[in-house]
Amino acid sequence: KAGVTQTPRYLIKTRGQQVTLSCSPISGHRSVSWYQQTPGQGLQFLFEYFSETQRNKGNFPGRFSGRQFSNSRSEMNVSTLELGDSALYLCASSISHEQYFGPGTRLTVT
Amino acid sequence: EDQVTQSPEALRLQEGESSSLNCSYTVSGLRGLFWYRQDPGKGPEFLFTLYSAGEEKEKERLKATLTKKESFLHITAPKPEDSATYLCAVQANDYKLSFGAGTTVTVRA
Repeated sequence: KAGVTQTPRYLIKTRGQQVTLSCSPISGHRSVSWYQQTPGQGLQFLFEYFSETQRNKGNFPGRFSGRQFSNSRSEMNVSTLELGDSALYLCASSISHEQYFGPGTRLTVT
Repeated sequence: EDQVTQSPEALRLQEGESSSLNCSYTVSGLRGLFWYRQDPGKGPEFLFTLYSAGEEKEKERLKATLTKKESFLHITAPKPEDSATYLCAVQANDYKLSFGAGTTVTVRA
């Protein structure tokens, strides 16, 4: 069974730009969660989507948004990028309690 | 607010030297406690889920246990390939996962 895939794997953007990251969950998984990982803050929860509806949201500004499509694939968008948004963005899919993570997208904001 | 604290931050072991990692937590309604392994530049890899106090799970050289306030990950006779960062996370009734900062384990041959 294929794992969680994320594209792109690496991204370099300039401050003020916006970015869209994509996540394809494991087949059959309907829940997709997004996390930001930085050396200083560790893994922080962004939001979770289940059957195209946002079920949970973390404590991030409105510049961070997401959506989920009918095939469970998900995208997250960050607008007006700041230097502090540089991080590894991880997507995880689940069918019950366990979450299975993708390899992440490394975003660098210059 | 849910809190997860892992200790120690880093652990250096000699090959074969068994040790334990600690994860203490406070959560409003524990749905599950999870252990993950993360290698540099990769996403976390799922290891175990524990649901209730007294539960234990084993996988190769790893054994996870759970009490009402903390969980332990025991590494028995570790090998260099066990070197990684081990993350603990708790899931509350609202399905949110809160992660600890992790314990970085280095096993020397």
